[in-house]
Amino acid sequence: SQQGEEDPQALSIQEGENATMNCSYKTSINNLQWYRQNSGRGLVHLILIRSNEREKHSGRLRVTLDTSKKSSSLLITASRAADTASYFCATVSSGTYKYIFGTGTRLKVLA
Amino acid sequence: DTAVSQTPKYLVTQMGNDKSIKCEQNLGHDTMYWYKQDSKKFLKIMFSYNNKELIINETVPNRFSPKSPDKAHLNLHINSLELGDSAVYFCASSLLGGGGTDTQYFGPGTRLTVL
Repeated sequence: SQQGEEDPQALSIQEGENATMNCSYKTSINNLQWYRQNSGRGLVHLILIRSNEREKHSGRLRVTLDTSKKSSSLLITASRAADTASYFCATVSSGTYKYIFGTGTRLKVLA
Repeated sequence: DTAVSQTPKYLVTQMGNDKSIKCEQNLGHDTMYWYKQDSKKFLKIMFSYNNKELIINETVPNRFSPKSPDKAHLNLHINSLELGDSAVYFCASSLLGGGGTDTQYFGPGTRLTVL
């Protein structure tokens, strides 16, 4: 079964609004990462949160991790049209080397 | 400077043909990966090499054969292409590759279309 699943699958907001997307996973993890994929491009790493961390910030990004619920959220504040992309969470189960990516959230920011 | 590069960017071919996709990274990383992204954007790992040694080999048809001549290169050869092989193939690299503590750097992708 798939490890990471994001919701919503698609999100459309106005520029300046905040965007929140969630990721759920199934097994114990070492850390969780978020990536962005612009249309027709490869994935770009955004942020990594370790399993012993609860919250992390990077610029306009805020990531939370709740290992008891096996879930994470990515908040993008004051969104811009350039934030339009698909966002993926990726996890590595404890004891493995395999990254599992979720199905992604397609974010559209309207100018 | 290109960190992870793939060639070709687009590949259109007939069923039954054999094709290769090349990947190179100039980051000095030890680990390289191949992923397949289907039409629903689901990204699935296929293979991973660490210092030219295969460390991940997912349930992939043996028509797919990775080759790593050195740690900066990981090529993907596909024999007897099938319609279901149509997808975007991404190469990625990471510094160490152990335990998922690394950031992965992705190439631009190769869009393979099998007719």
